[in-house]
Amino acid sequence: GQNIDQPTEMTATEGAIVQINCTYQTSGFNGLFWYQQHAGEAPTFLSYNVLDGLEEKGRFSSFLSRSKGYSYLLLKELQMKDSASYLCAVEQDSNYQLIWGAGTKLIIKP
Amino acid sequence: KAGVTQTPRYLIKTRGQQVTLSCSPISGHRSVSWYQQTPGQGLQFLFEYFSETQRNKGNFPGRFSGRQFSNSRSEMNVSTLELGDSALYLCASSLERDSYEQYFGPGTRLTVT
Repeated sequence: GQNIDQPTEMTATEGAIVQINCTYQTSGFNGLFWYQQHAGEAPTFLSYNVLDGLEEKGRFSSFLSRSKGYSYLLLKELQMKDSASYLCAVEQDSNYQLIWGAGTKLIIKP
Repeated sequence: KAGVTQTPRYLIKTRGQQVTLSCSPISGHRSVSWYQQTPGQGLQFLFEYFSETQRNKGNFPGRFSGRQFSNSRSEMNVSTLELGDSALYLCASSLERDSYEQYFGPGTRLTVT
């Protein structure tokens, strides 16, 4: 079956670092996406990992280990505007269909 | 460049009715995907259209259908609405079928009473 797991909710402090984990078990794998979704808004693209390793993009970094079925999104220097849900999605290699996790709600406190 | 637009933004229907939702992709984008989002469930893939052809379909009953027009605009139809169909319906467009970045519209929030 297809299964993507993320923590339901996390809390962090402004200025700190937080790591959001995503583990997956899917029948096929082509790549892994992270999207950010603010309450009441549409998801917006953050990152896409195909190869193992860390991809850094400003304050956000995403890591992938294909052999472990594991990814994480690392957010540094947290700002209040980072309060949002973070969605992990696996792209299948057979049809490029995305399988989505339920999302992690990140709450930033001053 | 205008983003993905969806109409209507909010809709209230009663059980048994049918509904049609519309999505206009970013100009030049040929792929349109539809998702259902409910609290705690994440995004559930409905279907994907590319150049007027349905390329992929998720695990939803036949009450859910869609189509894409020659200008890449897409519509989604749900017949015989059930209470469980209440959700946010999101449309996403991308340049090509296997383009890795999808751009989402604001969604249509459907409430079935």
